[in-house]
Amino acid sequence: QVQLVQSGAEVKKPGASVKVSCKVSGYTLTELSMHWVRQAPGKGLEWMGGFDPEDGETIYAQKFQGRVTMTEDTSTDTAYMELSSLRSEDTAVYYCATDILRFLEWSYSFDYWGQGTLVTVSS
Amino acid sequence: DIQMTQSPSTLSASVGDRVTITCRASQSISSWLAWYQQKPGKAPKLLIYKASSLESGVPSRFSGSGSGTEFTLTISSLQPDDFATYYCQQYNRATWTFGQGTKVEIK
Repeated sequence: QVQLVQSGAEVKKPGASVKVSCKVSGYTLTELSMHWVRQAPGKGLEWMGGFDPEDGETIYAQKFQGRVTMTEDTSTDTAYMELSSLRSEDTAVYYCATDILRFLEWSYSFDYWGQGTLVTVSS
Repeated sequence: DIQMTQSPSTLSASVGDRVTITCRASQSISSWLAWYQQKPGKAPKLLIYKASSLESGVPSRFSGSGSGTEFTLTISSLQPDDFATYYCQQYNRATWTFGQGTKVEIK
């Protein structure tokens, strides 16, 4: 069973950056395809980016390219998502979510989710 | 990018009702379609993956069908615990996209 534990809530000013962490237990990061999804207050789910197991690269949604960086520390099985140039519209709950291999196949869906990290951007 | 359109946006139903939610993709995504349930203040929960495969531990009243561009999530007999928001999600060519969500409310 995979457990994902995220860092705590953040309050940032416009223009600043935020870095959210996601600690994995039960599996190692190298066995997972880690992604980040956000949800603005009262809104739907929005995929930000993640590891594409097809080509072994981290892929970012076009909307966030140039502003988001996703990294992994395999020594501590912790994933990070950093979003820069924050604006009020970035106020949201940020989730890490993973795909796992099922019978040697990826399902391209998100089996496990962190508890979410609220990032508030306000002057 | 592929757009995912869910319908309806809101659905009012009673306990015991059969409920169907539809998700349409703007182009073919084969069977790379998943369904999630989300309750207020909680992370989404995977229900169905690869269009019709039931996630372990999910009640059998949930089922998924479809391929290509049209998909459905069916709840055969709505239970009190099922009132929630449901999202579809697709994968195609290194892009993952969610539908806008369907809120299932008590009638």
